[in-house]
Amino acid sequence: AQSVTQLDSHVSVSEGTPVLLRCNYSSSYSPSLFWYVQHPNKGLQLLLKYTSAATLVKGINGFEAEFKKSETSFHLTKPSAHMSDAAEYFCVVSLFFSGGYNKLIFGAGTRLAVHP
Amino acid sequence: DGGITQSPKYLFRKEGQNVTLSCEQNLNHDAMYWYRQDPGQGLRLIYYSQIVNDFQKGDIAEGYSVSREKKESFPLTVTSAQKNPTAFYLCASSKGLAGDLHEQYFGPGTRLTVT
Repeated sequence: AQSVTQLDSHVSVSEGTPVLLRCNYSSSYSPSLFWYVQHPNKGLQLLLKYTSAATLVKGINGFEAEFKKSETSFHLTKPSAHMSDAAEYFCVVSLFFSGGYNKLIFGAGTRLAVHP
Repeated sequence: DGGITQSPKYLFRKEGQNVTLSCEQNLNHDAMYWYRQDPGQGLRLIYYSQIVNDFQKGDIAEGYSVSREKKESFPLTVTSAQKNPTAFYLCASSKGLAGDLHEQYFGPGTRLTVT
C-alpha cells in the first residue's frame, strides 16, 4: 500500500537551533512529494515539492528537504528555527492512479514548537 | 488577489440538521477538492471534481454531498447521515488532476461544530 509516515508527532526546538522533521514514504515508484505547513485554524501552505528533478529541494522561509530514494525518506530541515515556524507540518505523497489522476496521501502531521 | 475563500470560518449546528459549507476560487482551476481534518490526523479526501457538473467520491464520502454547477464554486453539504460531522473542513483546487497540474492550493478552512 502507498503511504507516508511522519516519524514524530511533536518536535520541540529552541529558537536559532536546527529543525529536523522526518518523513518516510512507501511507493512502488518514485512519487511526487510535498511538505505543507498549517498554522492554527488556517489552511495549508505549500513549503516545497519534489517532482523527480534535483533531490535537494529548497522551499520558502529557509526550509529544504532531501529526497533519498534508497531510504524512502523526504526529511524537512531548516538551519535555524524562528518563533514564527511554530506550526503543524504535513508530509504528502502524490500518487498517480491508472484512472488518470493524482491523489494526495497525507501524513498525520508533526507539530513543531519553538521556544525562546 | 487570486485565491480560495471558504465561509463561514466557524459554523455551529444542531445534530440532525444539514449544513452547507461554501468554497469559491478565482484561480481559474478546473479541479476542486474537499478534505476533512481531525485532531492528530492528516487530511482525508471527501469528494473531488475535475470539471463542472462532474464529481467523484473520495475516501470518506458517506454522509456528504457536493455539487459543481460553476467552475469557481464547489459547495459541500454535511448531511444528518454523517455520524461524526464535527471537524475542520478544507477546500482545495488545482489546475488539473494529474502530473504537474495537480499541485493543490488550499482555502483557510471552516471549523464545523455539531452538538
